[in-house]
Amino acid sequence: DGGITQSPKYLFRKEGQNVTLSCEQNLNHDAMYWYRQDPGQGLRLIYYSQIVNDFQKGDIAEGYSVSREKKESFPLTVTSAQKNPTAFYLCASNGYRGNSNQPQHFGDGTRLSIL
Amino acid sequence: QQPVQSPQAVILREGEDAVINCSSSKALYSVHWYRQKHGEAPVFLMILLKGGEQKGHEKISASFNEKKQQSSLYLTASQLSYSGTYFCGTEPGGTSYGKLTFGQGTILTVHP
Repeated sequence: DGGITQSPKYLFRKEGQNVTLSCEQNLNHDAMYWYRQDPGQGLRLIYYSQIVNDFQKGDIAEGYSVSREKKESFPLTVTSAQKNPTAFYLCASNGYRGNSNQPQHFGDGTRLSIL
Repeated sequence: QQPVQSPQAVILREGEDAVINCSSSKALYSVHWYRQKHGEAPVFLMILLKGGEQKGHEKISASFNEKKQQSSLYLTASQLSYSGTYFCGTEPGGTSYGKLTFGQGTILTVHP
């Protein structure tokens, strides 16, 4: 079955450390997104990519970086510059060039905490 | 700018109805509705496109008033499985990039 796989499910970061969250999809979707969710809040967009080798900042990109070298993969790095990284991170994708006629499909998320 | 959802929380008994509203200060092109169970990924419910369309999915339907920049989600004869947090995601203007801005969510609890 097609879907989005995020790993790991839980991740712990030490002070000053960069960590990378994996997101892989086999839905043949062009567009991929990273969201951050804090308790009791909605989803806030970190970065998005509509095509390979191209990505744009979302509303809260500071302290994060991404790459899109393959259509299937959109890893997110949480850098040491992100001072409050504890949150639930969700990856999503949708169809042709992010067409808004199509729903976003979400992965199961990665829960990141500071040690 | 983040759309505003109301109410923030709803408590129902099985079989009761509920309405969740989503309002934006910007002209909207599309509105998406998702439901999220605690600790899980959001699940897609439906998309409303510019044009005042009303869509339905079993006992869940939604409307989109583009003049008022509002969408409403209607849950009829609620079931225990309807419990969760409901989010609207809005796309402003006439773009088609799929970049959504989500509301803060409405927590729906259905009791037996």
